[in-house]
Amino acid sequence: EIVLTQSPATLSLSPGERATLSCRASQSVSSLLAWYQKKPGQAPRLVIYDASNRATGIPARFSGSGSETDFTLTISSLEPEDFAVYYCQQRSIWPPTFGPGTKVDIK
Amino acid sequence: QVQLVESGGGLVKPGGSLRLSCAASGFSFSDYYMTWIRQAPGKGLEWVSYISSNGHTIYYADSVKGRFTISRDNSKNSLFLQMNSLRADDTAVYYCARAAPMDVWGQGTTVTVSS
Repeated sequence: EIVLTQSPATLSLSPGERATLSCRASQSVSSLLAWYQKKPGQAPRLVIYDASNRATGIPARFSGSGSETDFTLTISSLEPEDFAVYYCQQRSIWPPTFGPGTKVDIK
Repeated sequence: QVQLVESGGGLVKPGGSLRLSCAASGFSFSDYYMTWIRQAPGKGLEWVSYISSNGHTIYYADSVKGRFTISRDNSKNSLFLQMNSLRADDTAVYYCARAAPMDVWGQGTTVTVSS
């Protein structure tokens, strides 16, 4: 099973700041990595798929990069609605696995 | 619009059973693989089960294998999760999602396993 490690566990930032979230895989997942946003009481929302493709309706301030084992989700300028937990997930090797999440909270 | 709506959650005693349903609308359900994901209280997301578009390919997480059964009825645009021999650690919000990637999610249904 592929283990995904996310860092940092918590990122405390102010609106308008840049957020950089990391996801590292225990072995190569090619580019089959997605990022999901999760807010309390809401369903997860796909943000980025296949490492760098924004999902439908996702603002341009979100971008994804990386391949093989190292991936990054960047939020260029945080809006109030962006404060949430972000999970990476791989679908390259069965079973699909999620990382433990990075919480982006308001400083 | 594209939508998934789960139902069937509730409170059940350890060893009991529940059947979750997920009603799809706004897209061609029979064209898509579907999956169940859960989130236990205070925990992260955990993939549970996966079914191909025609229902012929099915996978389960080790934690539910032998206890849970995923199925679908393409004529009724519906996905199901039969959960037997439930344990306290199955307590979670269960989401159905269109796969893959998981681009459409339901709002979730809560399953609580407690005596």
